[in-house]
Amino acid sequence: DAKTTQPPSMDCAEGRAANLPCNHSTISGNEYVYWYRQIHSQGPQYIIHGLKNNETNEMASLIITEDRKSSTLILPHATLRDTAVYYCIVETNSGNTPLVFGKGTRLSVIA
Amino acid sequence: GAVVSQHPSRVICKSGTSVKIECRSLDFQATTMFWYRQFPKKSLMLMATSNEGSKATYEQGVEKDKFLINHASLTLSTLTVTSAHPEDSSFYICSVRRLAGHNEQFFGPGTRLTVL
Repeated sequence: DAKTTQPPSMDCAEGRAANLPCNHSTISGNEYVYWYRQIHSQGPQYIIHGLKNNETNEMASLIITEDRKSSTLILPHATLRDTAVYYCIVETNSGNTPLVFGKGTRLSVIA
Repeated sequence: GAVVSQHPSRVICKSGTSVKIECRSLDFQATTMFWYRQFPKKSLMLMATSNEGSKATYEQGVEKDKFLINHASLTLSTLTVTSAHPEDSSFYICSVRRLAGHNEQFFGPGTRLTVL
């Protein structure tokens, strides 16, 4: 069963912020929210992850709701190179276990 | 720089032949590596977990005699697709998980297999 729900696709104008939502209503207290993206014909790339606090790095920001049942990945100034499939994954971040991928959101950045 | 490499990046073979794909962890030793398969317009599906010095663990529905995995060292795992058929044509991706820092999973660039 999928632990996360994401819209199948989204468009974003180049230079604007891209806000990608993810629902994870059954998340457990010890589970983190991870975001990866996959550009066409490449391996997935780690973006960011968080437990309950909002996080920011050089690539993106992650906003997690107070009840932790949903989150939003924000690309502050989307470029054409950000066109990719974005995956929101929930898991415990303990031990050497593989990530399980859902269907993700296909983000198209438009010039 | 790259953390995980794969070789070859793409391969085209005839039906019935075997194809070997190499996965190398470049930045750290990995006792465990993961193999995924991805069909066009689909998500990544975990095939197996490769364990250094022991047998691989296969996901349900993945034939272990068809997809041979050898994890001979802490930096190298190989996936051999035996007697490949057109339905095995896919994008094969390996990965390793760093058990430190962000504990993120690093993925190789993938190998595109086309079986004619």
